Amino acid sequence: GENVEQHPSTLSVQEGDSAVIKCTYSDSASNYFPWYKQELGKRPQLIIDIRSNVGEKKDQRIAVTLNKTAKHFSLHITETQPEDSAVYFCAASSSGAGSYQLTFGKGTKLSVIP
Amino acid sequence: DSGVTQTPKHLITATGQRVTLRCSPRSGDLSVYWYQQSLDQGLQFLIHYYNGEERAKGNILERFSAQQFPDLHSELNLSSLELGDSALYFCASSVAVEDTQYFGPGTRLTVL
Repeated sequence: GENVEQHPSTLSVQEGDSAVIKCTYSDSASNYFPWYKQELGKRPQLIIDIRSNVGEKKDQRIAVTLNKTAKHFSLHITETQPEDSAVYFCAASSSGAGSYQLTFGKGTKLSVIP
Repeated sequence: DSGVTQTPKHLITATGQRVTLRCSPRSGDLSVYWYQQSLDQGLQFLIHYYNGEERAKGNILERFSAQQFPDLHSELNLSSLELGDSALYFCASSVAVEDTQYFGPGTRLTVL
């Protein structure tokens, strides 16, 4: 089955700096890659996603890049703010067998220092 | 608010007991996924239902079962509970199988 590795596990940045989180996946059939933000005790919230037919997607301060050949994808947050502090999860999914379950990375705890 | 609801928010029970967790998907969503989140295992897929039919099973124990009803709400049944079953249980819903999944607020299960 799919395996998703996520790095780093913790990341501290100064407010206004950029943050980058990287993930690799194992199943070449995976074609959907969402990123979720989770605050303590709350639900995972989708912040951006990308499908395998594009290499990059941007939404204001957040961008995701995908390299299908290398099987890795990254989350980029620019101009970080204290409210960006949370745990971020990457995930991968493929549409095989009539389901689209997500395989998650272990998460990155991002701390933005004011 | 994602539009996905889960009840109860918290559940405290004893080992050996049985509990039922309920999930109501967003209006119009046909897919319901269940995930378990624990400190040591992270977020793990349990089971997927689409329009009443089971579509896939992940790391779901035989003591656990689920179903999706005609009104599309879903229930996750956990029996013979063990201490290790303590976790956050999330459901997520999507319109169709390949669409974005939106998570509910979760049910925190504590087994004493």
